[in-house]
Amino acid sequence: KQEVTQIPAALSVPEGENLVLNCSFTDSAIYNLQWFRQDPGKGLTSLLLIQSSQREQTSGRLNASLDKSSGRSTLYIAASQPGDSATYLCAVRLQSFNKFYFGSGTKLNVKP
Amino acid sequence: ETGVTQTPRHLVMGMTNKKSLKCEQHLGHNAMYWYKQSAKKPLELMFVYNFKEQTENNSVPSRFSPECPNSSHLFLHLHTLQPEDSALYLCASSHAGSSSYNEQFFGPGTRLTVL
Repeated sequence: KQEVTQIPAALSVPEGENLVLNCSFTDSAIYNLQWFRQDPGKGLTSLLLIQSSQREQTSGRLNASLDKSSGRSTLYIAASQPGDSATYLCAVRLQSFNKFYFGSGTKLNVKP
Repeated sequence: ETGVTQTPRHLVMGMTNKKSLKCEQHLGHNAMYWYKQSAKKPLELMFVYNFKEQTENNSVPSRFSPECPNSSHLFLHLHTLQPEDSALYLCASSHAGSSSYNEQFFGPGTRLTVL
């Protein structure tokens, strides 16, 4: 069974800092990996999707990397802002039909 | 409406009630999912439907009964729930099939409280 781990569980940084969130998974036979953002009590908003053949994806201040062989992905957030405060989740899709596994998330607090 | 919508947004029910959660997607997808999110636990996949057929049931108790009448609508029928079933229930959709482009899109969730 796929295990997805996110470290750290919580992170508090001052505004303007660059930061890295980590996601690791045990089964490297994945189709893709997706990063999400979740605000308290709300649904998930998709941030980035990295296909298994890709090494990274960028969207604005966000950059996600994927190293399938080591079972790791990182989400880099540049110049963090208070509005970035949320829980960040990663999910991997296995090479079996439409099955997704989620990590427990990293709760980010960016202080003004 | 765009994206994935869910109704109701909040639901309080007693253990003997019967209620239903509704999900609708306007993205032209043909796979839909129910997830449960409890406090301090990872999202748990409950059910998966591909082209209206259930392809995944993650050992979910029978007091949860899904229904997918077409590719755009998904229901979760609830009956004789327990207080530990209180959680945020999230619906998602994606294209079906084996493609690494398949991206999941989520609805806002239904916050369920069982008294």
